[in-house]
Amino acid sequence: GEDVEQSLFLSVREGDSSVINCTYTDSSSTYLYWYKQEPGAGLQLLTYIFSNMDMKQDQRLTVLLNKKDKHLSLRIADTQTGDSAIYFCAELQTGANNLFFGTGTRLTVIP
Amino acid sequence: EAQVTQNPRYLITVTGKKLTVTCSQNMNHEYMSWYRQDPGLGLRQIYYSMNVEVTDKGDVPEGYKVSRKEKRNFPLILESPSPNQTSLYFCASSSRQGAQPQHFGDGTRLSIL
Repeated sequence: GEDVEQSLFLSVREGDSSVINCTYTDSSSTYLYWYKQEPGAGLQLLTYIFSNMDMKQDQRLTVLLNKKDKHLSLRIADTQTGDSAIYFCAELQTGANNLFFGTGTRLTVIP
Repeated sequence: EAQVTQNPRYLITVTGKKLTVTCSQNMNHEYMSWYRQDPGLGLRQIYYSMNVEVTDKGDVPEGYKVSRKEKRNFPLILESPSPNQTSLYFCASSSRQGAQPQHFGDGTRLSIL
């Protein structure tokens, strides 16, 4: 599969904004997703963006997509301790039948 | 409640002893898939199924088998497990690929000694 890259770790203080970055290599991707995984649990879909969009906002979450640089980011405003989790970006390529996941970013929120 | 149910949640077993991890979804989804999650590697797809009796290999199918005899069930079979299959496994389903999100089970942690 195509390489989807993320930083492995991110620490922020409670109340600050978190920005989790993701780069992908296939410009033909149609949908890009952000999933959250809490300890001992499965993956929960947070949000997704279609490839013809630049930005999507959903309450505290903002997704930015830069297709030229193949860069996707997830911004969490007013980060809370409950946001501590692993965040995965994933891409669905045109004509593909599966999602390609990044390595995941472990977000730690410091009280 | 819409859910994907995996069993068992935890299993410790020995090399070579056949095992099956079951996956069942109650959403009438056509598409189901299995992933393994390993540190630093994210999730990698093992097998997927577009519908009943239609299965195909994902990125890391070696050592695994699947079957899709019914729409709701998609078991993962390890005929002769080996230690390198020690991992966290997730089953997922969706009505179709694309905008419909995949619903994930809570995971099965397998340890092969």
